[in-house]
Amino acid sequence: DAGVTQSPTHLIKTRGQHVTLRCSPISGHKSVSWYQQVLGQGPQFIFQYYEKEERGRGNFPDRFSARQFPNYSSELNVNALLLGDSALYLCASSFAGTENIQYFGAGTRLSVL
Amino acid sequence: QKEVEQDPGPLSVPEGAIVSLNCTYSNSAFQYFMWYRQYSRKGPELLMYTYSSGNKEDGRFTAQVDKSSKYISLFIRDSQPSDSATYLCAMSEAAGAGSYQLTFGKGTKLSVIP
Repeated sequence: DAGVTQSPTHLIKTRGQHVTLRCSPISGHKSVSWYQQVLGQGPQFIFQYYEKEERGRGNFPDRFSARQFPNYSSELNVNALLLGDSALYLCASSFAGTENIQYFGAGTRLSVL
Repeated sequence: QKEVEQDPGPLSVPEGAIVSLNCTYSNSAFQYFMWYRQYSRKGPELLMYTYSSGNKEDGRFTAQVDKSSKYISLFIRDSQPSDSATYLCAMSEAAGAGSYQLTFGKGTKLSVIP
């Protein structure tokens, strides 16, 4: 069974650019969450989506946005990139009704130069 | 004070040892308690989750939750070199409208020496 898949694996951007990260949840999972993990820290919650609606948002600026598609896949967009946005971006999915229990993908490593 | 405190280590043990990993928390609204294992440059892998105070066992792993003390632990018996990874504790709370967010500790880096 395929787990959570994320693309691309690694991305290099320069300050001020825009980036789009993609995530496909585990089959049957309808909820998708996004997290940012800076080196040496635990992941920080950015968004949670369910049935294409934003259900929760962490303490991140408006430069961060996301959406979920009818097939439950999701995109995370970050505008006007800053050096501090360099991190591992993780997508997690969960079954409806058990959004507490989240399964993570391998992540997209974003480097901002 | 951070909501979840976890000693980052590093922790180094000989193969076969019993490993004890711990987290403390301050937020009484946390509902579920999880342990994730993260290998270098990989995503976190869910090891165990529990809802209530008490112990939960799965093979060589035992998760323990004490809600009255706001303290959770993960024990690894007969540790193996393949257990070498960073272990993250995580706790969930409602983030509104049926949404739940996880709050993580910093992670403890474990090395099991053959």
